[in-house]
Amino acid sequence: QKEVEQDPGPLSVPEGAIVSLNCTYSNSAFQYFMWYRQYSRKGPELLMYTYSSGNKEDGRFTAQVDKSSKYISLFIRDSQPSDSATYLCAMILTTDSWGKLQFGAGTQVVVTP
Amino acid sequence: DAGVTQSPTHLIKTRGQQVTLRCSPISGHKSVSWYQQVLGQGPQFIFQYYEKEERGRGNFPDRFSARQFPNYSSELNVNALLLGDSALYLCASSGDRENYEQYFGPGTRLTVT
Repeated sequence: QKEVEQDPGPLSVPEGAIVSLNCTYSNSAFQYFMWYRQYSRKGPELLMYTYSSGNKEDGRFTAQVDKSSKYISLFIRDSQPSDSATYLCAMILTTDSWGKLQFGAGTQVVVTP
Repeated sequence: DAGVTQSPTHLIKTRGQQVTLRCSPISGHKSVSWYQQVLGQGPQFIFQYYEKEERGRGNFPDRFSARQFPNYSSELNVNALLLGDSALYLCASSGDRENYEQYFGPGTRLTVT
């Protein structure tokens, strides 16, 4: 079993809809949580990062962390075709606070006009 | 402001050969991490260097090695290439000692035939 699980999709939504993405993890020592966006054949782009449980909002993006359920989410409001990409969740263990990212497999999102 | 740069963009090698990949971090960043991303999977951590010292190593064979130079640029070397080494190799840089915010370059796509 992988430490970070993410549904690979694809997730197809119409333009303007809310995109809901999530990851689950097995190790309660994960302390830092990130979301990256990766366009085809490009490097990942950092969207948001959060520390411990709670919500964080940045423009159309909202990240949620529920450490009691070992579950994190990313919501994209008013989705646009330019949001079509693979979204990767990533986490860092407390013991790896120097920065070893552990990634999920990524969820492919397709926003149709 | 220039982001993380990597060279070359693409590379084709034969089994058994050796390859060197190069990365220049964002100006002012002292930490460089290397990740391997196989098609359809999330990036896997290979190495991290901070101030020219190796700070972490992932679960990769000794055929993989890296170093960081005084100007904080870095090289990743892979010896005795195998078909399974075909992947996108990503470099990420960060500026803080604890690397929650890592910024990725575009990657080097390595194909081993």
